[in-house]
Amino acid sequence: GAVVSQHPSRVICKSGTSVKIECRSLDFQATTMFWYRQFPKQSLMLMATSNEGSKATYEQGVEKDKFLINHASLTLSTLTVTSAHPEDSSFYICSARIGLAGVYEQYFGPGTRLTVT
Amino acid sequence: AQSVTQPDIHITVSEGASLELRCNYSYGATPYLFWYVQSPGQGLQLLLKYFSGDTLVQGIKGFEAEFKRSQSSFNLRKPSVHWSDAAEYICAVGNTGGFKTIFGAGTRLFVKA
Repeated sequence: GAVVSQHPSRVICKSGTSVKIECRSLDFQATTMFWYRQFPKQSLMLMATSNEGSKATYEQGVEKDKFLINHASLTLSTLTVTSAHPEDSSFYICSARIGLAGVYEQYFGPGTRLTVT
Repeated sequence: AQSVTQPDIHITVSEGASLELRCNYSYGATPYLFWYVQSPGQGLQLLLKYFSGDTLVQGIKGFEAEFKRSQSSFNLRKPSVHWSDAAEYICAVGNTGGFKTIFGAGTRLFVKA
């Protein structure tokens, strides 16, 4: 089946620094990737939808300048958390979509645990 | 607006017993429905999906789910649970374009010996 990788799996950074998370589709091309944030005992929260070669579409309440998303190729999307704060500590999951409008599937990366100290 | 409710935050079943996890959704048209499983600190793995056709859907790992339009439900079942099934189970509903999949808060399954 389709495989999505994320790197790093865990990262600890200091307040005020930036951290980049990579999401790769290993055996397929993903025109659309999604970035989610997951809080304990809560639903996955969609942060943004990333389309290859164009600007990401952010969900309401998500700061574009803080969470920079780049989808430079059909197999790579990156999320950069800029000027990180402790409240940005969370589990971030990316997902790649296969299929056109109609039947589709989403494949998820293993997630990245970000801890900001 | 789309929404997904998983009424049970956690469920404990004995190994070998049957399992049913509940999922209710709200959606104006025919929904696309999914069940995912998530192990601690991991991403989501698709168990099964429903787009159309037969309302009883078979998935991986011996799971099945039944779409009941009249009840707006898509409950997940397994006839005999194994200890390795202990995980978080997440129900989701999507739309035709697939760009607004909404996820439930999940049900944590505990399996006791």
